[in-house]
Amino acid sequence: GQGVEQPAKLMSVEGTFARVNCTYSTSGFNGLSWYQQREGQAPVFLSYVVLDGLKDSGHFSTFLSRSNGYSYLLLTELQIKDSASYLCAVRDRASSGQKLVFGQGTILKVYL
Amino acid sequence: GPKVLQIPSHQIIDMGQMVTLNCDPVSNHLYFYWYKQILGQQMEFLVNFYNGKVMEKSKLFKDQFSVERPDGSYFTLKIQPTALEDSAVYFCASSPGQGRNTLYFGAGTRLSVL
Repeated sequence: GQGVEQPAKLMSVEGTFARVNCTYSTSGFNGLSWYQQREGQAPVFLSYVVLDGLKDSGHFSTFLSRSNGYSYLLLTELQIKDSASYLCAVRDRASSGQKLVFGQGTILKVYL
Repeated sequence: GPKVLQIPSHQIIDMGQMVTLNCDPVSNHLYFYWYKQILGQQMEFLVNFYNGKVMEKSKLFKDQFSVERPDGSYFTLKIQPTALEDSAVYFCASSPGQGRNTLYFGAGTRLSVL
């Protein structure tokens, strides 16, 4: 079956970096997305990866290893405003309608 | 960026009554979704909708649930009758089309069933 796992919480110091991990299992991998969600607000799309390797998008970078069922979202030069929940979501090739399966989200707390 | 609007932001209703949650998706998008999130838990897929039909639904999409998008207007989720366990935040999302993996979400409607 499908499953997406993330650590519940992560803390990092302002100015440093944070790596949010995600492991998944799926019968037919068809892409992985990362979203940022602030409390009471809509999840906001950050990144989509479908090929192995590191995708550098500046403040956010995303890594994928399909053979290991593993991805991470890397935030560099952290700011207090990066404190939010980060959601990993996987699409399964078996899905007929483009649905995403979400992990529970990792709450990142950036502190001084 | 593109905006998905959800109305209302909070709805309080007595158990057994009917409720309709409204979503105004991004105008040129073709796929529409509803997700359910109980406080502190993950977002769970309910249903998706394309070309006037339900494409896929999860076990959470009970018989009391229905979706429609009459005349290309609001995409709605109706629950009739409501139950206590329906209390959650319901997120609507839309996406442009086949092969485009980006879902754009609304801010959610918090449904409280008393």
